Amino acid sequence: DQQVKQNSPSLSVQEGRISILNCDYTNSMFDYFLWYKKYPAEGPTFLISISSIKDKNEDGRFTVFLNKSAKHLSLHIVPSQPGDSAVYFCAADGANAGGTSYGKLTFGQGTILTVHP
Amino acid sequence: DSGVTQTPKHLITATGQRVTLRCSPRSGDLSVYWYQQSLDQGLQFLIQYYNGEERAKGNILERFSAQQFPDLHSELNLSSLELGDSALYFCASSGLENEQYFGPGTRLTVT
Repeated sequence: DQQVKQNSPSLSVQEGRISILNCDYTNSMFDYFLWYKKYPAEGPTFLISISSIKDKNEDGRFTVFLNKSAKHLSLHIVPSQPGDSAVYFCAADGANAGGTSYGKLTFGQGTILTVHP
Repeated sequence: DSGVTQTPKHLITATGQRVTLRCSPRSGDLSVYWYQQSLDQGLQFLIQYYNGEERAKGNILERFSAQQFPDLHSELNLSSLELGDSALYFCASSGLENEQYFGPGTRLTVT
């Protein structure tokens, strides 16, 4: 039973355009969501997170949107750069009273993003 | 560089054997997490330790065990190894904010 799903195994975009990576979840107890980027032969790198009390969080070129009623989140990268080419993982967890993750992350299967020059 | 170190980088061993993977968290982080990434299962949470105490458990096999030492480094012990245990094993650590920072992983190959 996959509680976090990234339905697009891959995405290809042109440099300078917007990349939109999507993630769906089924567990209504999830309250905290994170995006990680992973290059080959390296560990996942934390990108951005969002608590369920928000619907948007922005950090530079990266914005995460959360639609709690649809159990859907997305990561927008604008503008996309060739160095963004990597595997992107969505992760989810329950949140404590302070709104931060408990730590038992459930990951999606990942989306391979390729940004063409 | 996340600040999390893992050793060894690669490990090749035979079925039935036992191995120990080691992780040093970022300076100051009290929480350590272990994950397994296999081809068909993606990244799976195994276990979490906080300041030496087990805090959360995922789908960790009984053949696997972990501990966190007073200096906060952690070890993941895998015993009676099977071919299906071949995977990447990641350690992560976190501080007060709980965003997890991952090490480079240990690639385990069981032959």
